[in-house]
Amino acid sequence: ETGVTQTPRHLVMGMTNKKSLKCEQHLGHNAMYWYKQSAKKPLELMFVYSLEERVENNSVPSRFSPECPNSSHLFLHLHTLQPEDSALYLCASSETGFSGANVLTFGAGSRLTVL
Amino acid sequence: GQNIDQPTEMTATEGAIVQINCTYQTSGFNGLFWYQQHAGEAPTFLSYNVLDGLEEKGRFSSFLSRSKGYSYLLLKELQMKDSASYLCATLDSNYQLIWGAGTKLIIKP
Repeated sequence: ETGVTQTPRHLVMGMTNKKSLKCEQHLGHNAMYWYKQSAKKPLELMFVYSLEERVENNSVPSRFSPECPNSSHLFLHLHTLQPEDSALYLCASSETGFSGANVLTFGAGSRLTVL
Repeated sequence: GQNIDQPTEMTATEGAIVQINCTYQTSGFNGLFWYQQHAGEAPTFLSYNVLDGLEEKGRFSSFLSRSKGYSYLLLKELQMKDSASYLCATLDSNYQLIWGAGTKLIIKP
């Protein structure tokens, strides 16, 4: 496979469930990102990993927990979510992170619905 | 504060030309990106401008005026497959991306 792959593409979960989103990139990039995309709103950066360093948006609730075991894989662990967390979660990668004009390569997203 | 404005939705006719505007106010400026996102698909990179002027890439062109805080994406010879959302994003002084809410472009036959 090439590019950025996200699984699952669709996820429905209750507020008490625990689930994880997975992202994998086959581009040899050194930075990976989680974005939240809600209808008619700007993309919201949640987390960035670059060369094992993590930067997070302080407004992201603790019920979202990222994990980046290596430069090719990124997870977003979800627990006790709220209905307002329903959105499209996009993973992206870039050659480098935190500086420079990096072109992002996105995955197709995981559509999350919280009941 | 930092802000990017672009129209929510536009409609154009197949074969015609459409211009999607983006205005920005950010803390510092290190360039402006345009991405295309078809419904249910990943956003894909279209262009990056950091200097004033027009850059052409096939049917698509992107313009930047740093003094006016303004950019536009120009799509020529519109095709049905150009129906998508177009996302404008700027890089601020810390190289953080600031995103607009996107413009949904509807192409009619």
